[in-house]
Amino acid sequence: QKEVEQDPGPLSVPEGAIVSLNCTYSNSAFQYFMWYRQYSRKGPELLMYTYSSGNKEDGRFTAQVDKSSKYISLFIRDSQPSDSATYLCAMSALAGANSKLTFGKGITLSVRP
Amino acid sequence: DAGITQSPRHKVTETGTPVTLRCHQTENHRYMYWYRQDPGHGLRLIHYSYGVKDTDKGEVSDGYSVSRSKTEDFLLTLESATSSQTSVYFCAISDTTDTQYFGPGTRLTVL
Repeated sequence: QKEVEQDPGPLSVPEGAIVSLNCTYSNSAFQYFMWYRQYSRKGPELLMYTYSSGNKEDGRFTAQVDKSSKYISLFIRDSQPSDSATYLCAMSALAGANSKLTFGKGITLSVRP
Repeated sequence: DAGITQSPRHKVTETGTPVTLRCHQTENHRYMYWYRQDPGHGLRLIHYSYGVKDTDKGEVSDGYSVSRSKTEDFLLTLESATSSQTSVYFCAISDTTDTQYFGPGTRLTVL
């Protein structure tokens, strides 16, 4: 079993839909959870960062962490065509820049106008 | 891309030739990373650096070496390129936080 599993996709939704993206993990030491967004032929950019369990909201985006279930989610409300990208979850066990990130494989989202 | 440039952006080379990719940052961040991204595998860490002349291996370091002689530059070298090293290579930087900022990537094809 890989440390981080992410729904393979791709995912296609109509504009305005609520999107739910999910990752599961096996390493109970993971405490720091991130979502990156990657547009085609670009580098990943950090979208959301959360520590331990709970929710974090930023505009139309909500990141949710359930450590008891080893499950994280990213919700996108009122999805827009500009949200079309690949979304990668990432997580680490340690704080600080010396911690290594473990990434999911990414899911490609397409939002249809 | 947070003051990170990668060069070249595209390269086609032949099996057995040496290849060096360069990552340059203007942010004065201490930590630098090299990843490769392949379909079905996601992002995998090759090597990373936690300071000038301080480097360590990641999960897929075989066939790769790195050097960091200046804070701003992190070089990735494929000593003898193989077709399995065809990939998109990303450099990332970080300061004292968990947040990594990624460069635009280098698309490498080994024929």
